[in-house]
Amino acid sequence: QKEVEQDPGPLSVPEGAIVSLNCTYSNSAFQYFMWYRQYSRKGPELLMYTYSSGNKEDGRFTAQVDKSSKYISLFIRDSQPSDSATYLCAMRRDSSYKLIFGSGTRLLVRP
Amino acid sequence: DGGITQSPKYLFRKEGQNVTLSCEQNLNHDAMYWYRQDPGQGLRLIYYSQIVNDFQKGDIAEGYSVSREKKESFPLTVTSAQKNPTAFYLCASSIRLAGLEQFFGPGTRLTVL
Repeated sequence: QKEVEQDPGPLSVPEGAIVSLNCTYSNSAFQYFMWYRQYSRKGPELLMYTYSSGNKEDGRFTAQVDKSSKYISLFIRDSQPSDSATYLCAMRRDSSYKLIFGSGTRLLVRP
Repeated sequence: DGGITQSPKYLFRKEGQNVTLSCEQNLNHDAMYWYRQDPGQGLRLIYYSQIVNDFQKGDIAEGYSVSREKKESFPLTVTSAQKNPTAFYLCASSIRLAGLEQFFGPGTRLTVL
Protein backbone atom coordinates (compact mmCIF):
# COMPACT_ATOMS: atom_id res chain seq x y z
CA GLN A 1 0.00 0.00 0.00
CA LYS A 2 1.29 3.44 -0.93
CA GLU A 3 1.81 5.93 1.87
CA VAL A 4 -0.08 8.58 -0.09
CA GLU A 5 -2.99 7.81 -2.41
CA GLN A 6 -4.36 10.18 -5.01
CA ASP A 7 -6.97 9.57 -7.70
CA PRO A 8 -5.25 10.05 -11.09
CA GLY A 9 -8.34 11.44 -12.81
CA PRO A 10 -8.69 13.01 -15.25
CA LEU A 11 -11.20 15.30 -13.63
CA SER A 12 -13.07 17.39 -16.21
CA VAL A 13 -15.14 20.38 -15.08
CA PRO A 14 -16.71 23.41 -16.78
CA GLU A 15 -15.19 26.83 -16.28
CA GLY A 16 -16.41 28.46 -13.07
CA ALA A 17 -16.98 25.18 -11.22
CA ILE A 18 -15.69 24.46 -7.74
CA VAL A 19 -13.04 21.75 -7.89
CA SER A 20 -12.21 19.37 -5.07
CA LEU A 21 -8.94 17.45 -5.19
CA ASN A 22 -8.09 14.93 -2.48
CA CYS A 23 -5.40 12.72 -1.02
CA THR A 24 -5.45 10.08 1.66
CA TYR A 25 -2.42 8.94 3.62
CA SER A 26 -1.50 6.21 6.04
CA ASN A 27 1.31 7.69 8.16
CA SER A 28 -0.11 9.56 11.14
CA ALA A 29 3.30 11.19 11.73
CA PHE A 30 2.90 13.49 8.70
CA GLN A 31 2.63 17.09 9.84
CA TYR A 32 3.30 19.22 6.75
CA PHE A 33 0.96 18.97 3.79
CA MET A 34 1.68 20.58 0.44
CA TRP A 35 -0.08 21.02 -2.87
CA TYR A 36 1.94 21.40 -6.05
CA ARG A 37 0.66 22.29 -9.53
CA GLN A 38 2.43 20.82 -12.54
CA TYR A 39 1.74 21.92 -16.09
CA SER A 40 2.43 19.46 -18.86
CA ARG A 41 6.16 18.83 -19.36
CA LYS A 42 7.10 21.34 -16.66
CA GLY A 43 8.40 21.12 -13.10
CA PRO A 44 5.95 21.27 -10.17
CA GLU A 45 5.38 24.59 -8.39
CA LEU A 46 4.26 24.91 -4.79
CA LEU A 47 0.74 26.30 -4.43
CA MET A 48 0.37 26.19 -0.67
CA TYR A 49 1.20 24.23 2.43
CA THR A 50 -0.44 23.68 5.79
CA TYR A 51 0.89 22.50 9.11
CA SER A 52 -1.10 19.94 11.08
CA SER A 53 -4.87 20.22 10.85
CA GLY A 54 -7.08 23.04 9.68
CA ASN A 55 -7.75 25.21 6.66
CA LYS A 56 -5.66 27.68 4.74
CA GLU A 57 -6.93 30.01 2.06
CA ASP A 58 -5.01 31.80 -0.69
CA GLY A 59 -7.13 33.56 -3.27
CA ARG A 60 -9.24 30.99 -5.09
CA PHE A 61 -7.45 28.09 -3.41
CA THR A 62 -8.28 26.52 -0.04
CA ALA A 63 -6.31 23.68 1.51
CA GLN A 64 -7.93 21.55 4.17
CA VAL A 65 -6.37 18.90 6.42
CA ASP A 66 -8.31 16.37 8.48
CA LYS A 67 -5.71 14.42 10.44
CA SER A 68 -8.31 12.28 12.21
CA SER A 69 -9.38 10.89 8.83
CA LYS A 70 -5.90 11.12 7.25
CA TYR A 71 -7.43 13.09 4.41
CA ILE A 72 -6.40 16.33 2.74
CA SER A 73 -8.19 18.42 0.15
CA LEU A 74 -7.54 21.30 -2.20
CA PHE A 75 -10.53 23.35 -3.31
CA ILE A 76 -10.39 25.65 -6.32
CA ARG A 77 -13.17 28.21 -6.61
CA ASP A 78 -14.23 29.79 -9.90
CA SER A 79 -12.00 27.40 -11.84
CA GLN A 80 -10.35 28.72 -15.00
CA PRO A 81 -8.97 26.95 -18.09
CA SER A 82 -5.53 28.07 -16.91
CA ASP A 83 -6.02 25.83 -13.85
CA SER A 84 -5.81 22.79 -16.15
CA ALA A 85 -2.80 20.90 -14.86
CA THR A 86 -1.81 17.96 -12.70
CA TYR A 87 -2.08 18.58 -8.97
CA LEU A 88 0.28 16.72 -6.68
CA CYS A 89 -0.11 16.42 -2.96
CA ALA A 90 3.00 15.93 -0.84
CA MET A 91 3.60 15.51 2.85
CA ARG A 92 6.35 15.03 5.38
CA ARG A 93 7.04 14.46 9.02
CA ASP A 94 8.11 17.25 11.32
CA SER A 95 11.85 18.04 10.95
CA SER A 96 12.18 15.54 8.10
CA TYR A 97 13.63 16.53 4.75
CA LYS A 98 11.78 13.85 2.85
CA LEU A 99 8.66 14.66 0.89
CA ILE A 100 6.27 11.83 0.04
CA PHE A 101 4.31 12.61 -3.11
CA GLY A 102 0.98 11.41 -4.38
CA SER A 103 0.83 10.32 -8.00
CA GLY A 104 -1.12 13.42 -9.03
CA THR A 105 -4.63 14.21 -10.28
CA ARG A 106 -5.02 15.59 -13.78
CA LEU A 107 -7.55 18.43 -13.94
CA LEU A 108 -9.13 19.77 -17.12
CA VAL A 109 -11.23 22.94 -16.94
CA ARG A 110 -13.35 23.28 -20.07
CA PRO A 111 -14.06 26.82 -21.40
CA ASP B 1 15.69 36.10 -12.23
CA GLY B 2 16.47 33.44 -9.64
CA GLY B 3 15.64 29.87 -10.44
CA ILE B 4 16.71 26.39 -11.41
CA THR B 5 17.78 25.40 -14.88
CA GLN B 6 18.05 21.89 -16.23
CA SER B 7 19.57 20.81 -19.49
CA PRO B 8 18.96 19.35 -21.89
CA LYS B 9 15.17 19.39 -22.05
CA TYR B 10 15.08 16.16 -24.05
CA LEU B 11 17.78 13.51 -24.12
CA PHE B 12 18.02 10.30 -26.08
CA ARG B 13 20.44 7.58 -25.12
CA LYS B 14 21.38 4.22 -26.50
CA GLU B 15 21.39 1.28 -24.15
CA GLY B 16 24.73 0.82 -22.45
CA GLN B 17 25.64 4.52 -22.47
CA ASN B 18 26.08 6.78 -19.48
CA VAL B 19 24.49 10.23 -19.65
CA THR B 20 24.76 13.28 -17.41
CA LEU B 21 21.86 15.61 -16.68
CA SER B 22 22.71 19.15 -15.69
CA CYS B 23 21.11 21.11 -12.84
CA GLU B 24 22.09 24.65 -11.88
CA GLN B 25 20.49 26.99 -9.34
CA ASN B 26 21.13 30.66 -8.56
CA LEU B 27 18.89 30.80 -5.48
CA ASN B 28 21.81 30.41 -3.07
CA HIS B 29 20.15 27.29 -1.67
CA ASP B 30 22.17 24.80 0.32
CA ALA B 31 20.06 21.71 -0.37
CA MET B 32 19.50 20.12 -3.76
CA TYR B 33 17.55 17.04 -4.84
CA TRP B 34 17.01 14.76 -7.82
CA TYR B 35 13.66 13.11 -8.41
CA ARG B 36 12.36 10.73 -11.01
CA GLN B 37 8.76 10.94 -12.25
CA ASP B 38 7.04 8.06 -14.03
CA PRO B 39 3.43 7.98 -15.29
CA GLY B 40 1.00 7.05 -12.54
CA GLN B 41 3.63 7.35 -9.83
CA GLY B 42 4.60 10.11 -7.46
CA LEU B 43 8.00 11.74 -7.55
CA ARG B 44 10.65 9.42 -6.17
CA LEU B 45 13.85 10.69 -4.58
CA ILE B 46 17.08 9.55 -6.23
CA TYR B 47 19.76 11.57 -4.41
CA TYR B 48 19.94 14.65 -2.25
CA SER B 49 22.68 16.97 -1.07
CA GLN B 50 22.64 19.05 2.08
CA ILE B 51 25.79 20.98 1.35
CA VAL B 52 28.75 21.16 -1.03
CA ASN B 53 30.80 17.95 -1.23
CA ASP B 54 28.13 15.98 0.60
CA PHE B 55 25.32 13.89 -0.87
CA GLN B 56 23.18 10.97 0.22
CA LYS B 57 21.20 8.23 -1.51
CA GLY B 58 17.48 8.54 -1.71
CA ASP B 59 14.96 5.77 -2.24
CA ILE B 60 16.00 4.70 -5.75
CA ALA B 61 19.73 5.50 -6.07
CA GLU B 62 20.79 2.29 -7.81
CA GLY B 63 22.18 2.98 -11.26
CA TYR B 64 22.63 6.71 -10.62
CA SER B 65 25.50 8.87 -9.38
CA VAL B 66 25.86 12.55 -8.47
CA SER B 67 28.46 15.11 -7.49
CA ARG B 68 28.25 18.41 -5.63
CA GLU B 69 31.48 20.29 -6.23
CA LYS B 70 29.82 23.70 -6.31
CA LYS B 71 26.87 25.07 -4.39
CA GLU B 72 25.10 25.99 -7.60
CA SER B 73 25.48 22.70 -9.43
CA PHE B 74 24.23 19.15 -8.83
CA PRO B 75 24.65 16.99 -11.95
CA LEU B 76 23.09 13.54 -12.16
CA THR B 77 24.67 10.69 -14.14
CA VAL B 78 22.41 7.90 -15.31
CA THR B 79 24.65 4.89 -15.74
CA SER B 80 24.21 1.79 -17.86
CA ALA B 81 23.44 -0.08 -14.62
CA GLN B 82 20.06 1.67 -14.38
CA LYS B 83 17.63 -0.98 -15.69
CA ASN B 84 14.79 1.29 -16.71
CA PRO B 85 16.11 4.83 -17.17
CA THR B 86 13.39 6.23 -19.45
CA ALA B 87 11.63 8.84 -17.28
CA PHE B 88 11.17 12.51 -16.52
CA TYR B 89 13.93 13.76 -14.20
CA LEU B 90 13.39 16.73 -11.93
CA CYS B 91 15.96 18.69 -9.97
CA ALA B 92 14.90 20.74 -6.95
CA SER B 93 16.48 22.94 -4.30
CA SER B 94 15.53 24.35 -0.92
CA ILE B 95 17.10 26.86 1.45
CA ARG B 96 18.18 24.04 3.74
CA LEU B 97 17.60 20.31 3.88
CA ALA B 98 14.36 20.49 5.86
CA GLY B 99 13.24 23.69 4.18
CA LEU B 100 9.52 23.68 3.52
CA GLU B 101 9.55 24.88 -0.04
CA GLN B 102 11.34 22.93 -2.70
CA PHE B 103 11.75 24.80 -5.98
CA PHE B 104 11.75 22.61 -9.05
CA GLY B 105 13.48 22.96 -12.38
CA PRO B 106 11.70 22.40 -15.71
CA GLY B 107 12.84 18.78 -15.97
CA THR B 108 14.71 16.60 -18.46
CA ARG B 109 12.93 13.85 -20.35
CA LEU B 110 15.31 10.95 -20.93
CA THR B 111 14.46 8.29 -23.46
CA VAL B 112 16.54 5.16 -23.91
CA LEU B 113 16.42 3.79 -27.43
